[in-house]
Amino acid sequence: QVQLQESGPGLVKPSETLSLTCTVSGGSISSDYWSWIRQPPGRGLEWIGYVYDSGTTTYNPSLESRVTMSMDTSKNQFSLRVTSVTAADTAVYFCTKIVASGSSDHWGQGILVTVS
Amino acid sequence: DIVMTQSPLSLPVTPGDPASISCRSSQSLLHSDGHIYLDWYLQKPGQSPQLLLYLGSNRASGVPDRFSGSGSGTDFTLKISRVEAEDVGVYYCMQALQIPYTFGQGTKLDIK
Repeated sequence: QVQLQESGPGLVKPSETLSLTCTVSGGSISSDYWSWIRQPPGRGLEWIGYVYDSGTTTYNPSLESRVTMSMDTSKNQFSLRVTSVTAADTAVYFCTKIVASGSSDHWGQGILVTVS
Repeated sequence: DIVMTQSPLSLPVTPGDPASISCRSSQSLLHSDGHIYLDWYLQKPGQSPQLLLYLGSNRASGVPDRFSGSGSGTDFTLKISRVEAEDVGVYYCMQALQIPYTFGQGTKLDIK
């Protein structure tokens, strides 16, 4: 059974860079697509983008200028960086595994990142 | 972006009764491959979302058969044949036809 676990700082200062890592167990990240989705407190879900094939990426155009995703197959991890953060980036960030239909069939528990 | 609109936003249900949630997309979600790129997720209180249905009507692994999905083009429905207490939470539809993937606002189901 694939399991995902987000990690990273829970507090980031405005204008700085948010960096998160998702560690995958129970499967190789080389063979699937991996995404980040976020949820501001008390609000709905926003798709950030996905990474696959050792580093090919597709991002939400609304975030594309500030977002970078990458993969480290040696550690079975993938990562998210968001630059120039503001309070609007405060959210629970989820990493997910995507299947061919675009569906997220496995989710991490989520990590709250506060920009303040 | 494709806009996803759910209704109702709040749905109180008596256990054992059926429930239905509507999701409308601003563009057709029918791909040239014949599939509808529409998912349904449930976020139980304090948990991550979980996939219920994919490609409009296919139940994800482990999802009870009381959950079903239907619809075509731009109008979709999630039906629960008999609501149980464990079904409480927020239901989201999501389109995966076009980048960026987009979600509905969510429908909060609770028990009367």
